Amino acid sequence: DVKVTQSSRYLVKRTGEKVFLECVQDMDHENMFWYRQDPGLGLRLIYFSYDVKMKEKGDIPEGYSVSREKKERFSLILESASTNQTSMYLCASTPGDTGTDTQYFGPGTRLTVL
Amino acid sequence: QQQVKQSPQSLIVQKGGISIINCAYENTAFDYFPWYQQFPGKGPALLIAIRPDVSEKKEGRFTISFNKSAKQFSLHIMDSQPGDSATYFCAATEPNTGFQKLVFGTGTRLLVSP
Repeated sequence: DVKVTQSSRYLVKRTGEKVFLECVQDMDHENMFWYRQDPGLGLRLIYFSYDVKMKEKGDIPEGYSVSREKKERFSLILESASTNQTSMYLCASTPGDTGTDTQYFGPGTRLTVL
Repeated sequence: QQQVKQSPQSLIVQKGGISIINCAYENTAFDYFPWYQQFPGKGPALLIAIRPDVSEKKEGRFTISFNKSAKQFSLHIMDSQPGDSATYFCAATEPNTGFQKLVFGTGTRLLVSP
C-alpha cells in the first residue's frame, strides 16, 4: 500500500513564526503536491514538485515556499505565519507523469495560527 | 474563479436511498474527471473516475454519469449506507500537462441516516 505521512496531525503556531510542514511518501513517486483545504473552498493547490529540487507554483502560492531535497520528502514552509493561513494542509503524491494517475493523500495537518 | 462547481454543499439521505452529487465545468480541455471520498480525520482517496469518451461508469454502488454537451457530471450512490457518510469532491484535469494538476470542486458533505 502506498503510504503518505505528514509530520504532525495538529500544529499551533504564533503569527510571524516560521513553520515547516513535512511530507514523506514511501512508494518512489515522482510527483508530490501540497494543498490547503478550507470549508466551502475545497482543495486548492499551493505548490507541486515533479522531481527532486524541481517545483512549480499552484493556484495559491503566496506566503508559502517548498523544498524537495530528496525524492521521498516534500516540505511546505510558511516563512512568516499569518492567521489567514490557519487551515488543513494536505500532501499528496502520484507515481508518474500521466494525467490519470491516482493522487495518494496523507492524513493532513491542521494548522492553527494565533 | 471556481473552475469546477459542485452542488449541493451538504446532503442528508436515508439509508437505502440514492445520493446524487452534481458538478459542472467550463474548461472544455478537461478530459479526466475523478471523484475523491474523504472520511473525517483522513485524507481524500480516489473513489471512481471517468473519461469523457463514455457517458457512464459504474463500480459497485457508485456510478458517474457524464454529459459532455452540458459540461456536467454527477456521482450517484445507490442503496446509500451509513458507512458512505463522508465528504465527496469532484475534480477535473487537463490532458498533456505532463503531470496531473487537479482542479477540485468545493466538496459535498454526505450524511446517510440509519
